[in-house]
Amino acid sequence: SQTIHQWPATLVQPVGSPLSLECTVEGTSNPNLYWYRQAAGRGLQLLFYSVGIGQISSEVPQNLSASRPQDRQFILSSKKLLLSDSGFYLCAWIKAGGGTDTQYFGPGTRLTVL
Amino acid sequence: QKEVEQNSGPLSVPEGAIASLNCTYSDRVSQSFFWYRQYSGKSPELIMSIYSNGDKEDGRFTAQLNKASQYVSLLIRDSQPSDSATYLCAVKLTGGGNKLTFGTGTQLKVEL
Repeated sequence: SQTIHQWPATLVQPVGSPLSLECTVEGTSNPNLYWYRQAAGRGLQLLFYSVGIGQISSEVPQNLSASRPQDRQFILSSKKLLLSDSGFYLCAWIKAGGGTDTQYFGPGTRLTVL
Repeated sequence: QKEVEQNSGPLSVPEGAIASLNCTYSDRVSQSFFWYRQYSGKSPELIMSIYSNGDKEDGRFTAQLNKASQYVSLLIRDSQPSDSATYLCAVKLTGGGNKLTFGTGTQLKVEL
């Protein structure tokens, strides 16, 4: 069966510090992968998506970046965090070539920037 | 105009009643629609997907789609306190990447 992992589960970081969040998917190959942010009391905002290794599409200009160094690994990074980067970061995946467009979410990382 | 709109609620229903959650969307060519449930502090979990006009039933849940009116709804029959959560409507965007756009969600409270 397919599973998706995210770590860390929670993170408290000072303003100006770097960030690295990781998402990995097990039990599938060549998935589409997505990073979302959910700010407190707000909807899900798509940040990045990837259809393959090294292929990243950015949806919102900001101080975040994403990378996909391996087929089932998706990383969200920042060089300098802002207060506005606080939120619930969610990774999602779709099985590529499976004739489906349904996204499934990982458990999320709750980031607080102080 | 927001791409996907939902009433933020809270929507309060008594236990055992039918809860009706509504969603409208702006992109006339959208073909895929999803309902997710999100408990406080947790990630969204898929409840149902719907692609064709009409009703789709899965247990106590029924999704209804009307593409002409650009309207999708979720009915929850025999509501239980465990159904208390925020329900997110999502619409697949046209173009590549299988991207979704989400509404801000409707908070449902099922009262004893």
